[in-house]
Amino acid sequence: AQSVTQPDIHITVSEGASLELRCNYSYGATPYLFWYVQSPGQGLQLLLKYFSGDTLVQGIKGFEAEFKRSQSSFNLRKPSVHWSDAAEYFCAVGAGTSYDKVIFGPGTSLSVIP
Amino acid sequence: DTAVSQTPKYLVTQMGNDKSIKCEQNLGHDTMYWYKQDSKKFLKIMFSYNNKELIINETVPNRFSPKSPDKAHLNLHINSLELGDSAVYFCASSHLNYGYTFGSGTRLTVV
Repeated sequence: AQSVTQPDIHITVSEGASLELRCNYSYGATPYLFWYVQSPGQGLQLLLKYFSGDTLVQGIKGFEAEFKRSQSSFNLRKPSVHWSDAAEYFCAVGAGTSYDKVIFGPGTSLSVIP
Repeated sequence: DTAVSQTPKYLVTQMGNDKSIKCEQNLGHDTMYWYKQDSKKFLKIMFSYNNKELIINETVPNRFSPKSPDKAHLNLHINSLELGDSAVYFCASSHLNYGYTFGSGTRLTVV
C-alpha cells in the first residue's frame, strides 16, 4: 500500500541553525515526490518536487531535498532557518498522471526559537 | 489575482443543514481536487475531477457531492451536515501531477 511517514511530529530549532525534516515513503511505482509548507491559517504551498534526474532538488525559500531510492527517503533540508520558516511541513508521494492519488504524510510541525 | 480561490473562508452551520463550498482556478489546470484536513492536520483526498470528469472518488459519505460545471470550477455540496464533518476543506488544482496549487481553505464548523 502507498504510504508516507514523517517520523518527527514536532521539531524545534534555533534561528540560524540547520534543519532536516525526514520523510519515508512506500510506493509501488516510480514515485513523484513533493514537499509542501502550510503556514497557520493558510493553504499549502509547494516547496519543491522530484520526478527524475538529479536526486538533489532545489526549491523555493532556500530549501532542498535529496531523493534516496535505496532508503525510500526524501528528506528536506535548509542550511539556516529563519523565524518565518515556522510552519507545518508535509511530504507527499504520487505518480505522474492525474488519475493517481497523491498521498500526504502526517506533517511535521516546525517551531523556530529566536 | 488569486490562482485558486474558494468561498467561503469560514462556514458555521447547524447539524442537519445543507451547505456548499465553491472553488475556482484561473491557472488553466486540467485537474481539480477536494481535500479534507482534520483537526490533527491530516490531509485526505476526497474527490478529483479531470476536465469535468470524476476520476477519484474516495470513500466518503454520499452526503458529499462534488460538481464541476467546467474545468475551472469545482464545487462541493454537503447534505445533512454532521458534527464529524467539521474540518478544513481545501480545493487544489494541478496540471497532470506536477504539483498542486491549493486554495486557502474553508473552515467548516458544525454545531
